[in-house]
Amino acid sequence: QSVLTQPPSVSAAPGQKVTISCSGSSSNIGINYVSWYQQLPGTAPKLLIYDNNERPSGIPDRFSDSKSGTSATLDITGLQTGDEAIYYCGTWDSSLSAVVFGGGTKLTVL
Amino acid sequence: QLQLQESGPGLVKPSETLSLTCTVSGASIPSRTHYWGWIRQPPGKGLEWLGSVYHSGSPFHSPSLKSRVTMSVDMSKNQFSLRLRSVTAADTAVYYCARHHNSGSFFDYWGQGTLVTVSS
Repeated sequence: QSVLTQPPSVSAAPGQKVTISCSGSSSNIGINYVSWYQQLPGTAPKLLIYDNNERPSGIPDRFSDSKSGTSATLDITGLQTGDEAIYYCGTWDSSLSAVVFGGGTKLTVL
Repeated sequence: QLQLQESGPGLVKPSETLSLTCTVSGASIPSRTHYWGWIRQPPGKGLEWLGSVYHSGSPFHSPSLKSRVTMSVDMSKNQFSLRLRSVTAADTAVYYCARHHNSGSFFDYWGQGTLVTVSS
């Protein structure tokens, strides 16, 4: 059981927009930055978003995030088949004194 | 370009100790803005943070594994290591090392991962 809750799967057509949610609590998302990772099949996770919608070099602005209260959302616009992957949210939990992750959301581009 | 590479045995017997090393290239481990962390992923499952260590050797661990985990840094080799004691089949996973940014608690560079199987 993950501390952060994500939907197991989402899907959308190429070119469309998809939203992936990440629900937490007042001890994690409520007070700390959220990061998002993309894991393509058979590869290590890759950092997509950190520190309030910052993107590492090379990550397109099709990927963005937002936060409201104890929930965060990853938006992906202009979906491409290459975006098919599992997406994870993560943050620090100040009560647990631990990095926590969501269970992951599998994105299918139909 | 920063790179991390895990190394260690791919098979460990139950009740024994899992030992992995992460070699960092393209950057020096001593850093005021980063820790160095370990994350694992059981087959077909999600990510689990095990712990992170500062270049001075000060570690902080996941509460669920704290009693079994030891982490250390060897600055002369630009490496950091993980030891997980008393392993069981539940510890079978791909183990990743990663650079842990201390301000936002995110992992910006990851190793490719190494599968460790616990079996007799």
